[in-house]
Amino acid sequence: AQSVAQPEDQVNVAEGNPLTVKCTYSVSGNPYLFWYVQYPNRGLQFLLKYITGDNLVKGSYGFEAEFNKSQTSFHLKKPSALVSDSALYFCASYNTDKLIFGTGTRLQVFP
Amino acid sequence: EAQVTQNPRYLITVTGKKLTVTCSQNMNHEYMSWYRQDPGLGLRQIYYSMNVEVTDKGDVPEGYKVSRKEKRNFPLILESPSPNQTSLYFCASSLTGTSRPYEQYFGPGTRLTVT
Repeated sequence: AQSVAQPEDQVNVAEGNPLTVKCTYSVSGNPYLFWYVQYPNRGLQFLLKYITGDNLVKGSYGFEAEFNKSQTSFHLKKPSALVSDSALYFCASYNTDKLIFGTGTRLQVFP
Repeated sequence: EAQVTQNPRYLITVTGKKLTVTCSQNMNHEYMSWYRQDPGLGLRQIYYSMNVEVTDKGDVPEGYKVSRKEKRNFPLILESPSPNQTSLYFCASSLTGTSRPYEQYFGPGTRLTVT
């Protein structure tokens, strides 16, 4: 069965430092992978996606993600974190008309 | 403004009292979906629709109904709500494609409490 795992419930990082939010996937066939962000009392917002092509995908708000087929990972990264990046981040995999979400990682950026 | 709207945003009800959560999108999207979000479980799909009059079960459809009579609307119906349906509900929509998936646009959420 297809699945997505986010091994960290929470990630803490100081403002200005690089951040990484981890995601691993288990899919049959070609993986279609997404990152979404949820700010407090808001719906999910699309950040970026990997369909095919370059392994480094650039998205909104300065975020990027690296697709690694051998490690079945799709980690979300940002070179310099902002306090305003504090939110809940979801990795998702697309399969047969639906998205399979991970359990989410709360990112806390401290001033 | 392109958006997905949901109503109500907050709802407290009692066990067994039928309720409907409305969802509407103004982007002419074919695909619409309902999810519930629970702590530690992420988002789980309840039902989805590929187009008008076409609906399919997601991973957790029990206790829910949907209909898709118009392209823009996709209401979620709880015929007899129970406390285990207390959750945060999201509606989403997207374009559809046979060769690639499109990103989904989410509504602001409906927080439902069933006592």
